[in-house]
Formats: sequence, C-alpha cells, structure tokens
Amino acid sequence: QLQLQESGPRLVKPSETLSLTCTVFGGSISSSHYYWGWIRQPPGTGLDWIGSIYYSGSTSYNPSLKSRVTISVDTSKNQFSLNLMSVTATDTAVYYCARLGGGVAPISKAFDFWGQGTLVTVSS
Amino acid sequence: QSALTQPPSASGSPGQSVTISCTGTSSDVGGYNYVSWYQQQPGKAPKLMIYEVRKRPSGVPDRFSGSKSGNTASLTVSGLQAEDEADYYCSSYAGSDNVVFGGGTKLTVL
Repeated sequence: QLQLQESGPRLVKPSETLSLTCTVFGGSISSSHYYWGWIRQPPGTGLDWIGSIYYSGSTSYNPSLKSRVTISVDTSKNQFSLNLMSVTATDTAVYYCARLGGGVAPISKAFDFWGQGTLVTVSS
Repeated sequence: QSALTQPPSASGSPGQSVTISCTGTSSDVGGYNYVSWYQQQPGKAPKLMIYEVRKRPSGVPDRFSGSKSGNTASLTVSGLQAEDEADYYCSSYAGSDNVVFGGGTKLTVL
C-alpha cells in the first residue's frame, strides 16, 4: 500500500522560506503514470492546489503562487520537495503531499493517495 | 484560475439523498471529464470518493455517485448515513497540468 509522509519545520518566520519534503513509501516515484503534488489548507478553510511535479522534473504551479514556489524531485531518495519563499501569516496551513494520476493511470487526474498532512505556522 | 463554486452547506436526514453542486467554467469542469470529489473528516486528510466525473475507487460505497452537465458537476449521496457527515470538495483538471479545487461543502446528517 502506497504511503506518503510529509516532513519539515513546523514553524517558519515571516519573510523566510517554507521547506517541506514528501517521502513516498511502497511505490516508486519514478512511475510514468503519476505526478506528485502539494496541496494546502489554511485553518478552517478549503483546499488549495500548490503545484505538481513529474519524476522527470517537469512542473506545474498554481498561478497565484507561481512566483514564490519551487517543487523539486529526488528519485534516488523517492522524495519530492516544496519550497515557498517570502512567507507571511497567510501561508499558515496544513500542507499535504499527494499522488496525482496522469492521463493513462487507472485513476486519472485525481489525487488518490495523500499524506497525513503537516501544520506549518508562520510566526515570529 | 478561480476556485470552483460549491454551496457552503448541505444537509439531509438518514436514508435521504443529498446532492452537492460544483460550478466551474468551460476551462475546467466544462472542458474536461476530469472532475473528482473528496471527503474530509475532521482532522483527517481528504479521501478520494469520485474520479473522472462518475467513477468510484475501490472501497467507496455505491451510495456515492457523480455526474456533470455543462460547467456544473454534482455529487449525490443516497441513503445518507451518520458517517457521511463531513466536508466535501470537488476538483477539476484545468488544462496544462493545472488543478483547481472547490471551496468545500459541509454535509450535515440531521
């Protein structure tokens, strides 16, 4: 059974960079059928797609965050990472990593496996 | 890209059916048959309930069904059960490997 686990600092200071890593267990991040994504959820509000990456390194980002976001992949460690620059209090949220099926996957264009999520607070 | 529009709340009594709508545009919901629905219980990660408009992953009860007409997708929960009380989010492929979510609907079982 595929499992994803987020890791990284839970507290980040304003104007600094939020960095999280997602480790994939029970499957290969290099599968040609899947993308890997980051989604966040500010307290008491809805889900917001941050961006996705393919094992080759190809990325797509939410236009509203594109100027501050970088997603990268390390296939040797079966991990992908999120960097969000110049954070403010509005970036406080639970951050989830998840698997996104590609067009030829059995479950296409949907997030079928999710990490448990990690709350990151932006505060001085 | 703008968030998809969902009603903030919905409710029904046990055994009844309830339908949650999700309205987008021709650039997302209306343009692709890639609408998905997620159930989120308090403090938990979202769980995929419907993908590709109307397909159910293994293990999801057939009480959950999806449909789409034009720019609006819908999730119907039939035979409501207490355990169905949760937040529900729709999502759509929006082209160029982009994804957009709805604002979420809180389903209350009366």
